[in-house]
Amino acid sequence: GDSVTQMEGPVTLSEEAFLTINCTYTATGYPSLFWYVQYPGEGLQLLLKATKADDKGSNKGFEATYRKETTSFHLEKGSVQVSDSAVYFCALLPGYSSASKIIFGSGTRLSIRP
Amino acid sequence: NAGVMQNPRHLVRRRGQEARLRCSPMKGHSHVYWYRQLPEEGLKFMVYLQKENIIDESGMPKERFSAEFPKEGPSILRIQQVVRGDSAAYFCASSPPSQYSGNTIYFGEGSWLTVV
Repeated sequence: GDSVTQMEGPVTLSEEAFLTINCTYTATGYPSLFWYVQYPGEGLQLLLKATKADDKGSNKGFEATYRKETTSFHLEKGSVQVSDSAVYFCALLPGYSSASKIIFGSGTRLSIRP
Repeated sequence: NAGVMQNPRHLVRRRGQEARLRCSPMKGHSHVYWYRQLPEEGLKFMVYLQKENIIDESGMPKERFSAEFPKEGPSILRIQQVVRGDSAAYFCASSPPSQYSGNTIYFGEGSWLTVV
């Protein structure tokens, strides 16, 4: 079945460092791909999305490119801030049916040191 | 346009009591999803509903859990005879009715259930 695998955390970086959180997927057809962010004690917020191959989603300095050839959707940011500390979830929505549920990776906890 | 509204945000129940969690989808959305997040874990799908219809309940525990989305009013996730292992954050999400696979699913702020 469809699934999402993302890099295990926790990931700890210094402020202004470059961030990559890896995400790969297995899916039938052409899924839509998402990154969600969860700040402590809060719900999930959509960070960015891409709906077809080679699309790049971007928001708040974060980017991810839908790579069909490598079945990947890695999250990147050039210079992280302390306020980026959160848990990041990669997710996919299967493209073969409207009666589909979004499937999440296990989440990656990111901590940024001042 | 209000987002997905969940209440209560925090709920404390004693073992054996019932918990009812409510979710009002975004305006214009007719699909509702419920997910559970155990402490320090990811989100696990529970159930997917449209108005008056359960589409996929493959993630629902076989006993004590039920969900509905009536023609009028919010979606309800009901947990009967709660146990400590039910303590978790329960997230509702909604999406519009469409065959387009690029639809985004929007999440509510969650309901945190604590069973004591």
